[in-house]
Amino acid sequence: DIQMTQSPSSLSASVGDSVTITCRASQGISNYLAWYQQKPGKVPKLLIYAASTLQSGVPSRFSGSGSGTDFTLTISSLQPEDVASYYCQKYNSAPLAFGPGTKVDVE
Amino acid sequence: EVQLVESGGGLVQPGGSLRLSCAASGISFSSYAMSWVRQAPGKGLEWVSTISGYGAKTYYADSVKGRFTISRDNSKNTLYLQMNSLRAEDAAVYYCAKGRYIDYRDAFDIWGQGTMVTVSS
Repeated sequence: DIQMTQSPSSLSASVGDSVTITCRASQGISNYLAWYQQKPGKVPKLLIYAASTLQSGVPSRFSGSGSGTDFTLTISSLQPEDVASYYCQKYNSAPLAFGPGTKVDVE
Repeated sequence: EVQLVESGGGLVQPGGSLRLSCAASGISFSSYAMSWVRQAPGKGLEWVSTISGYGAKTYYADSVKGRFTISRDNSKNTLYLQMNSLRAEDAAVYYCAKGRYIDYRDAFDIWGQGTMVTVSS
């Protein structure tokens, strides 16, 4: 099975900073990758699908890129409401595995 | 408005069984693949199972294969997860999630609020 890894596991940045989270697949998955945001105590929310397509209603400060095995999620100007855990997920084939998550805090 | 509402969680003894339900509203239910995702307390998301729109194809994580069964009743707009031979490590919040399309190979765009499953003697 394809394994998903994320780095870093956690980060802290200031409001207005640009933040980048990396997701890596152990084998190529084309662009079959999604990013989710889960705020504390809340339900996961889809941010990006097909590696770089922004889900409707998601602020434009979120962007995704990558293909094959390496992917990134970027928050261009971190806001206090972006405090959350972020997960990548592969969906090219079963198992539809999630990455271990990246916790983002605001300093 | 699209809504997914899970039910059926609770406390069960190791080795016991439980059936979760997820009632969908506001969508043409049979047009979408549906999935279960779980999250143990303080842990990350774990994909559990997915079923295609018409229910012909099902997929399972290795951790639940042979113990859990996903099904759907499109006439009732309801998704199910039959969980047998439950273990302590199955304890988690179980989320129902809707795929973007009928094919299972897509992201989950709508999530339910989750139902808690506790496995303990």
